[in-house]
Amino acid sequence: EAGVAQSPRYKIIEKRQSVAFWCNPISGHATLYWYQQILGQGPKLLIQFQNNGVVDDSQLPKDRFSAERLKGVDSTLKIQPAKLEDSAVYLCASSGGTGITSQHFGDGTRLSIL
Amino acid sequence: GDSVTQMEGPVTLSEEAFLTINCTYTATGYPSLFWYVQYPGEGLQLLLKATKADDKGSNKGFEATYRKETTSFHLEKGSVQVSDSAVYFCALSDGPGAAGNKLTFGGGTRVLVKP
Repeated sequence: EAGVAQSPRYKIIEKRQSVAFWCNPISGHATLYWYQQILGQGPKLLIQFQNNGVVDDSQLPKDRFSAERLKGVDSTLKIQPAKLEDSAVYLCASSGGTGITSQHFGDGTRLSIL
Repeated sequence: GDSVTQMEGPVTLSEEAFLTINCTYTATGYPSLFWYVQYPGEGLQLLLKATKADDKGSNKGFEATYRKETTSFHLEKGSVQVSDSAVYFCALSDGPGAAGNKLTFGGGTRVLVKP
């Protein structure tokens, strides 16, 4: 089965610019997650979707970050305006089924803010 | 809130050496525990998991036992190979419910195996 697809793989922007990341989960997976992984740290959940509804966005900096999952499939994560501390790898993951299910991760988008 | 603490790296070993990476957690209730691995240039992959106390997860020669009494989930491998060089992440999930299977990760441990 095809894995979680993310694009772009790399992005370099200047602070105060905007940027968007795209994720296509594994087919049929209802739950989609966005994580932020700062260099040298473990991933931190930003937002979780169940189909096209938000389950948890408690750690999403809503003044600058936004995310949507239209039609319950693909998702986009946007940062506007970007700050230097947003430099990180942004990981998308998906999971399906009920009960304790494993998350499948994409390769991530590495964002560098100049 | 939930948290995961794992030993800091890097851990440098010779091939065929024994590997242990310590992981302890703090959580309410009865979480599920996971080890994920990130090989150079690749995404996170699930290595193994355990969903209840005393369960042992195993995969690719790696093992970890869910110890509720010590709130630990240490990762072990008896004989490492160069190909095991990677960053290893311990994680927990509070399981299904309102928050779904949200994962809380430790900081990661880089392992370097030398031939």
